Amino acid sequence: QKEVEQDPGPLSVPEGAIVSLNCTYSNSAFQYFMWYRQYSRKGPELLMYTYSSGNKEDGRFTAQVDKSSKYISLFIRDSQPSDSATYLCAMSFTGTASKLTFGTGTRLQVTL
Amino acid sequence: DTGVSQNPRHKITKRGQNVTFRCDPISEHNRLYWYRQTLGQGPEFLTYFQNEAQLEKSRLLSDRFSAERPKGSFSTLEIQRTEQGDSAMYLCASSLTSSSTGELFFGEGSRLTVL
Repeated sequence: QKEVEQDPGPLSVPEGAIVSLNCTYSNSAFQYFMWYRQYSRKGPELLMYTYSSGNKEDGRFTAQVDKSSKYISLFIRDSQPSDSATYLCAMSFTGTASKLTFGTGTRLQVTL
Repeated sequence: DTGVSQNPRHKITKRGQNVTFRCDPISEHNRLYWYRQTLGQGPEFLTYFQNEAQLEKSRLLSDRFSAERPKGSFSTLEIQRTEQGDSAMYLCASSLTSSSTGELFFGEGSRLTVL
């Protein structure tokens, strides 16, 4: 069993839809949680960063962490074709530029 | 452009040959990471450096793999006697230990194809 499991996708939604992406993890020592976005043939780039349980909002993106259930989510509101990418959840034991453990990624396609 | 730079972007080699990838991190970043990513999977940690010191190596990193970061600047990842299973994207990332978010800045990767 992998330490971090991510819904496999791929996911295809129409423009304007609300998208929900999820990950579960098994190691309760993970304390910092991130979402990275990876466009085709590019390296991942940080989208959201959270530490505590609860919600964090940034524009159309909301990251949710539930440490008691070992479950994290990313919500995208009013999805746009430019959101089409692979979304990777990632987590670490410490926040100070430490090693990240990634999920497998969910490929999202937003159609016109 | 002052982002993370990786070379070559794509390398095709025959099984048994040696290959070397280079990573130039963002100049003030003291940490440098190597990850491997195969199709449909997330990046898997291989190793990381703080300045010139290699602090951790994954058990995924067999004896055929070696990484260096002389003088704490650029890094090289060498794969000896390549196997078809080594075919993957090799990603380099850099970061600052003082970063409040611990964000890793990734390069665009070096794709290895072993025939």
